[in-house]
Amino acid sequence: AQKVTQAQTEISVVEKEDVTLDCVYETRDTTYYLFWYKQPPSGELVFLIRRNSFDEQNEISGRYSWNFQKSTSSFNFTITASQVVDSAVYFCALSEARDSSASKIIFGSGTRLSIRP
Amino acid sequence: EAQVTQNPRYLITVTGKKLTVTCSQNMNHEYMSWYRQDPGLGLRQIYYSMNVEVTDKGDVPEGYKVSRKEKRNFPLILESPSPNQTSLYFCASSLDSGRPDEQFFGPGTRLTVL
Repeated sequence: AQKVTQAQTEISVVEKEDVTLDCVYETRDTTYYLFWYKQPPSGELVFLIRRNSFDEQNEISGRYSWNFQKSTSSFNFTITASQVVDSAVYFCALSEARDSSASKIIFGSGTRLSIRP
Repeated sequence: EAQVTQNPRYLITVTGKKLTVTCSQNMNHEYMSWYRQDPGLGLRQIYYSMNVEVTDKGDVPEGYKVSRKEKRNFPLILESPSPNQTSLYFCASSLDSGRPDEQFFGPGTRLTVL
């Protein structure tokens, strides 16, 4: 069965510090997709990144970077030089792709990140 | 403007009184889904639909019904709401076309069942 674990319930750091949010997943499929979403205090959910299981290249987008390691079933998210606007709940999610069609999506329980000025 | 809309945004009701939360998207997306968000549990998928007349259960379907008669609409029906269905509900859609894609979320519906 699919499972996504975000062991860090809450993280608090001072502005400009780097912070890494952990995501560990379980799946039996060889083809699957991983996602990160952000939920700021206003409540909306915002897509950050999608990665498929065949693409282990790390990705960098500005201050955000993602480290995908199949060997440890992890898809960690790092924010460099954090800012107060990064304060939000971050969700990691997993979707298996069976028979070339989309299926259900499993979210982790989220990590609440607080950036202190 | 491309968006997913949900109505109502807030609802307080009583146990057993049937209700429907509407969801509509204007992006011609194939995949639509309902989630509930509860503290400490993250988002849990209730139902999803891969296209018109095609729906399937997520992880927590008990007590809910859905329908997908048109591509743009995906209402969530609670036939007999109970207090444990008090939650924040999100509808989402994505293009998909055969592989999981970025989801666009509605603004959420906060439901309280007394």
